Amino acid sequence: EGQLVESGGGLVQPGGSLRLSCAASGISFSDYWMSWLRQAPGKGLEWVANIKQDGSESYYVDSVKGRFTISRDNAKNSLYLQMISLRAEDTAMYYCATDWHHATSRRFDYWGQGTLVTVSS
Amino acid sequence: DVVMTQSPLSLPVTLGQPASISCRSSQSLVFSDGNTYLNWFQQRPGQSPRRLIYKVSNRDSGVPDRFSGSGSGTDFTLKISRVEAEDVGVYYCMQATHWPPFTFGGGTKVEIK
Repeated sequence: EGQLVESGGGLVQPGGSLRLSCAASGISFSDYWMSWLRQAPGKGLEWVANIKQDGSESYYVDSVKGRFTISRDNAKNSLYLQMISLRAEDTAMYYCATDWHHATSRRFDYWGQGTLVTVSS
Repeated sequence: DVVMTQSPLSLPVTLGQPASISCRSSQSLVFSDGNTYLNWFQQRPGQSPRRLIYKVSNRDSGVPDRFSGSGSGTDFTLKISRVEAEDVGVYYCMQATHWPPFTFGGGTKVEIK
């Protein structure tokens, strides 16, 4: 069974930076697009960014463009989210999830448990 | 961006009774390949989201058959035929036809009366 484990969250000041990681196991990581999603405290779900299997394409929600960068290392079965110029409104639980798989034509089969990012002075 | 509108916001249900959640999209979710990429997710208290339904009406492995999805175009419904205690949580619809971005409904909180 697939498992995703996020890490790297924490308390950061406005304008600061943080790098999130997501370690995958039990899945063929390189066969999946991968996504980051987030959920502000007491709020709904928001998709943040995704990246193609080979890292050649990535897409972002408008609110994070130019500030967040998604990347992956297939050799390490790992996904990353580099966040700079953080704002209070970026405070959220951040989840990584498997995205598109060509064989199943499905997205978001597996989710991690999340890592909490708090942007506050 | 496609706007997903769910109703109701809150749904108190008696155990064993049915429940229905509506989800409407601001434009048709039929993709050029003929598929409609509308998913339903369940988020139990304190847990990560879990997908229940994909492509409108396909139940995921391990999802009880009391859950069913239906709809077409812009109008979709998630039904629980007989609510059980373990069904308490927030349910989200999500469209994956017109992206980026993928967009979610605001969520419907199912609780026991």
